[in-house]
Amino acid sequence: KNEVEQSPQNLTAQEGEFITINCSYSVGISALHWLQQHPGGGIVSLFMLSSGKKKHGRLIATINIQEKHSSLHITASHPRDSAVYICAVSGSGGGADGLTFGKGTHLIIQP
Amino acid sequence: GAGVSQSPSNKVTEKGKDVELRCDPISGHTALYWYRQSLGQGLEFLIYFQGNSAPDKSGLPSDRFSAERTGGSVSTLTIQRTQQEDSAVYLCASSPNTVYNSPLHFGNGTRLTVT
Repeated sequence: KNEVEQSPQNLTAQEGEFITINCSYSVGISALHWLQQHPGGGIVSLFMLSSGKKKHGRLIATINIQEKHSSLHITASHPRDSAVYICAVSGSGGGADGLTFGKGTHLIIQP
Repeated sequence: GAGVSQSPSNKVTEKGKDVELRCDPISGHTALYWYRQSLGQGLEFLIYFQGNSAPDKSGLPSDRFSAERTGGSVSTLTIQRTQQEDSAVYLCASSPNTVYNSPLHFGNGTRLTVT
């Protein structure tokens, strides 16, 4: 079973700061997902990646397959970015093993 | 278009009662997942359906839990003889294919409280 570790668990920053959230996993994967969950809200898929880097607006996700590590970056952070960010990985079971989730990073951006 | 719809959004039940949770995936999505998020815990995989194939039930925590998916679309998760530890948010997600190559679309969840 894959072990997914996220760091930091909690992060408070000021508006405008560059944010980095890290995710490491123990077993080779087929894809890694970054998810966002607002308080009391549903979960939104931000990125799904299996190699390299993806960018969407102020969000950037990178993955290093050899090092079993991924990072989520937020540039020019804003209070509306405050949420729980969850890293999840999928194995090699054809989707049958679902996703293994990290415990999440609780991000607060203060104005 | 409509996203993943779950009902009810909230359910309070007495210990020992049975409950049924419903998920309407996005039309055309072949993969459907049920997850559970307990207070202070991460997300936990419960069960996976791919089209009309037999589901992978490996994540179900006990034999009190069962799920079905009719016609490859709507899914119901049933919990029999509910216990207080079943209290959690139950999330359904669908994707066009599998988590290998398709992002997941989550519903807003059903918050289950067992008293």
